[in-house]
Amino acid sequence: DMKVTQMPRYLIKRMGENVLLECGQDMSHETMYWYRQDPGLGLQLIYISYDVDSNSEGDIPKGYRVSRKKREHFSLILDSAKTNQTSVYFCASTPTGTGGFGPGTRLTVL
Amino acid sequence: GEQVEQRPPHLSVREGDSAFITCTYTDPNSYYFFWYKQEPGASLQLLMKVFSSTEINEGQGFTVLLNKKDKRLSLNLTAAHPGDSAAYFCAVSDDRGSALGRLHFGAGTQLIVIP
Repeated sequence: DMKVTQMPRYLIKRMGENVLLECGQDMSHETMYWYRQDPGLGLQLIYISYDVDSNSEGDIPKGYRVSRKKREHFSLILDSAKTNQTSVYFCASTPTGTGGFGPGTRLTVL
Repeated sequence: GEQVEQRPPHLSVREGDSAFITCTYTDPNSYYFFWYKQEPGASLQLLMKVFSSTEINEGQGFTVLLNKKDKRLSLNLTAAHPGDSAAYFCAVSDDRGSALGRLHFGAGTQLIVIP
């Protein structure tokens, strides 16, 4: 069964701390995505990765960076987290839903 | 860039009634269209993926209509039941035949089906 995993599922950090969100997929999909979801805004694209070390900014990349060293793993990094980065973060592989979205990480920055 | 507007933001219907949600988009080159369902605290579940060439798409308990002339995508849940209560999101992609597209999402519709 195709699957996208995310760790951790819940995270509480203080402003200024570093945050690492992990995403994995077992389908060897080349393309992976990070989105954030805020009430009333739908999902907004942060970054796309087309393959290992081939990443591209999405619509709201400011304050984020990504790392993809293996095809099956895609990390989202917040250096010095801010309170306005409190959100639910979703990883996806392919945009079409065939790979699907991960379960999400609920991040709270205090 | 692509703008996707979804209406209504909130919708309440009685069990057995229809629920109609509409999205309009701006990019005439948009090619793939999606509807997702999201239950509280859960991830997004793909309801249907629609290709540009298909106007009417039947699913289990719902119909998706695509009007390319008006750049409008609609979801009609026929005979809604309480299990349909969830948030629904449309999404639009401007890439053809590849997995490299970016999804542009509507802001969502919170549907409540009253028993």
